[in-house]
Amino acid sequence: QSALTQPPSVSGSPGQSVTISCTGTSSDVGPYNRVSWYQQPPGTAPKLMIYEVSYRPSGVPDRFSGSKSGNTASLTISGLQAEDEADYYCSSYTSTSTWVFGGGTKVTVL
Amino acid sequence: EVQLVESGGGLVQPGGSLRLSCSASGFIFSIYAMHWVRQAPGKGLEYVSTISSNGATTYYGASVKGRFTISRDDSKNTLYLQMSSLRAGDTAVYHCVKGLGGMVVSAIGYWGRGTLVTVSS
Repeated sequence: QSALTQPPSVSGSPGQSVTISCTGTSSDVGPYNRVSWYQQPPGTAPKLMIYEVSYRPSGVPDRFSGSKSGNTASLTISGLQAEDEADYYCSSYTSTSTWVFGGGTKVTVL
Repeated sequence: EVQLVESGGGLVQPGGSLRLSCSASGFIFSIYAMHWVRQAPGKGLEYVSTISSNGATTYYGASVKGRFTISRDDSKNTLYLQMSSLRAGDTAVYHCVKGLGGMVVSAIGYWGRGTLVTVSS
């Protein structure tokens, strides 16, 4: 199972919006609404931010939103804040009943 | 509060074996699927394995299939990963992760801090 494709980095100024794409295939992202997003600041464990494409766990700010179209999922961070600077990873359930992750995207707040 | 504490990592020679443990607390362990995910130093996340809530179903990533075995002991609230035929490419921090539900299709949810496994001679 090949990794999902994410841009290596995105950046934005405080208050702006940034969107991270996550491109998979017809064997993972495409047929399943089982895409999740994780935030990982340096030196910490990943934290679930979005699950099942667009649902936020309790405690995650509503500035974070998720969507999916075809084989590509997206995470949007609105009203970017300094504390949002971190690595972000997507993941998807696959047709082999396993999970696959994206390569990660570094979000920089300018 | 959900707590996942991994242990058992360390330095092992190529070809060797190691068993990781994950002690869970703060939730009803027996009703949740559990996962192992690893992260090589400076690299991204890589899926390792999943076990369903009843332990009857297990899945593995292609790079570890046939070498690693996931299991659970609900009486001890503990998840295990038995690793054998270890290679340098298995060097990583191994995270224990709680699923959001009992089925393997449930999202990979809450992460432990991980335990470092180093495979080197």
